[in-house]
Amino acid sequence: GAGVSQSPRYKVAKRGQDVALRCDPISGHVSLFWYQQALGQGPEFLTYFQNEAQLDKSGLPSDRFFAERPEGSVSTLKIQRTQQEDSAVYLCASSLPKGRGTEAFFGQGTRLTVV
Amino acid sequence: GESVGLHLPTLSVQEGDNSIINCAYSNSASDYFIWYKQESGKGPQFIIDIRSNMDKRQGQRVTVLLNKTVKHLSLQIAATQPGDSAVYFCAENRNQFYFGTGTSLTVIP
Repeated sequence: GAGVSQSPRYKVAKRGQDVALRCDPISGHVSLFWYQQALGQGPEFLTYFQNEAQLDKSGLPSDRFFAERPEGSVSTLKIQRTQQEDSAVYLCASSLPKGRGTEAFFGQGTRLTVV
Repeated sequence: GESVGLHLPTLSVQEGDNSIINCAYSNSASDYFIWYKQESGKGPQFIIDIRSNMDKRQGQRVTVLLNKTVKHLSLQIAATQPGDSAVYFCAENRNQFYFGTGTSLTVIP
């Protein structure tokens, strides 16, 4: 596709349920980022991949959050035993490696609501 | 700590007027900055970027100014239109992007 694609667009989960959020980056983009955006706030960094390597996961809020990108393209953000505080929009972005134009392109996000 | 923050959370302007949105950053090692526009229910959309070796960059109706001495960025939108109503974020890039809280711009017809 032409842009970053995220699915699902909306997800309602019961507290304690596991969820998986998918990101399809722009073809050829080796860098991939996950962000969490609470209502009325700016995006907060979660984790960063370059190809299949997870280079930075310092923003993941707890060990319930896990991200993978096994083939260096599609990425999945998994949240185990969801809590109400996990309710947010989860944004994925992709970019070329630094030095070749580092503009990051964002998907529309997945809105997660934990009830 | 590291932070990127905005001076004003909301801004209302009359259609046709110019808008100025400000942003402060704290990490002097940052060498690349981006302004994003985010409309309701959508992801952030790239507007314009600037590298630290520049003071000013112009796009279509938008200009970004960078003052490294006081670690300040501004986004100027000329002849603001109703379609410009959105939340605007500045983002500071090192390995990942650090975002501020955002400024909500409302254009009054």
